Amino acid sequence: GAGVSQSPSNKVTEKGKDVELRCDPISGHTALYWYRQSLGQGLEFLIYFQGNSAPDKSGLPSDRFSAERTGGSVSTLTIQRTQQEDSAVYLCASSLPSRPTEAFFGQGTRLTVV
Amino acid sequence: SQQGEEDPQALSIQEGENATMNCSYKTSINNLQWYRQNSGRGLVHLILIRSNEREKHSGRLRVTLDTSKKSSSLLITASRAADTASYFCATSLTGANSKLTFGKGITLSVRP
Repeated sequence: GAGVSQSPSNKVTEKGKDVELRCDPISGHTALYWYRQSLGQGLEFLIYFQGNSAPDKSGLPSDRFSAERTGGSVSTLTIQRTQQEDSAVYLCASSLPSRPTEAFFGQGTRLTVV
Repeated sequence: SQQGEEDPQALSIQEGENATMNCSYKTSINNLQWYRQNSGRGLVHLILIRSNEREKHSGRLRVTLDTSKKSSSLLITASRAADTASYFCATSLTGANSKLTFGKGITLSVRP
């Protein structure tokens, strides 16, 4: 596809379960971001992958959150033992190596923990 | 705290009027960008202004940057009902591999 693709679009999970959110960046984009947005709030930075550099994990809120990017392309954000406060829209974005901070966003995954 | 802070938090105007939104930030930046978000999902990049630029135009959008005041403004001229959305400023700090940091956003409502 032409844009950043995220799946699933919506996810409802029970408290305590693990979830995996997937992001397919635009082909050729070496930078990939994950953000979290709670209802009516701004974007909270979670993690940033840039090429072969070590990822910037400084925004991950707890050790229940982890992310990986395999082969420099697809990324998976994993939340273990989900809590109700994890409910939010999780947004992924990618960018070109020549314009690392001009980000193209996916439509997000709306996570609801019940 | 977040690098970018927008104001006002909410703005309601009549169609045809101009909308001005402001963003302030705290530390030296490499560039500043404005994004638009409809219906709480994906953001769309609107315009980027570099730290050595003072003003930039794109269609009905005009962005200014004042690095001495660490502030930027986004002006939408001749607003339309379709401009109703949330608008975010995002900053990229100087240095390699710098991530984008977003403000909390401004909700713009354009009344038809």
